[in-house]
Amino acid sequence: DQQVKQNSPSLSVQEGRISILNCDYTNSMFDYFLWYKKYPAEGPTFLISISSIKDKNEDGRFTVFLNKSAKHLSLHIVPSQPGDSAVYFCAASEGETSGSRLTFGEGTQLTVNP
Amino acid sequence: NAGVTQTPKFQVLKTGQSMTLQCAQDMNHNSMYWYRQDPGMGLRLIYYSASEGTTDKGEVPNGYNVSRLNKREFSLRLESAAPSQTSVYFCASSEFLLAWETQYFGPGTRLLVL
Repeated sequence: DQQVKQNSPSLSVQEGRISILNCDYTNSMFDYFLWYKKYPAEGPTFLISISSIKDKNEDGRFTVFLNKSAKHLSLHIVPSQPGDSAVYFCAASEGETSGSRLTFGEGTQLTVNP
Repeated sequence: NAGVTQTPKFQVLKTGQSMTLQCAQDMNHNSMYWYRQDPGMGLRLIYYSASEGTTDKGEVPNGYNVSRLNKREFSLRLESAAPSQTSVYFCASSEFLLAWETQYFGPGTRLLVL
């Protein structure tokens, strides 16, 4: 039972354009969401997060949007750069009661073409 | 400051053999985690340790044991390896077991069980 799903295994965009990565979840108890980025042969690194009390969080070129009623979140990267090419994982937590036990999606491979 | 280190980087085992994956962090973090990553599955939590002296099962603990040797080190043991345990294993740490605490990942151990 995949509680966090990233339905697009891959995404290809041109440098300078917007990249939109999507994530859906089924567990209504999730209330904290994160995006991690992973380069080949490295561990994932934290990118951005959002609490369920917000619907948007922005950090430089990265913005995460949360639609709780649709159980959907998305990561926008504007403008996209070739160095953004990586696998992006969304992850969710049930919050303080379950701490940092994260449930991850399958990942989306983003390729930004020069 | 090395962050999270894992040894070995790569290992080949025969079915039934045992081995221990080592993980150490130098960030004085209280909580540590072991994940496995399989194609199309994202990262799944095997075991975690909220603090020194405690360990708990994650989503996929069967076939594994862990030891929180001290605050720095958290090892994962496969007593009798099976081909289904072929995977990439990531160790991670965070300051506390809280949803908003960033998890820092090691570079991974690639394990092949024949």
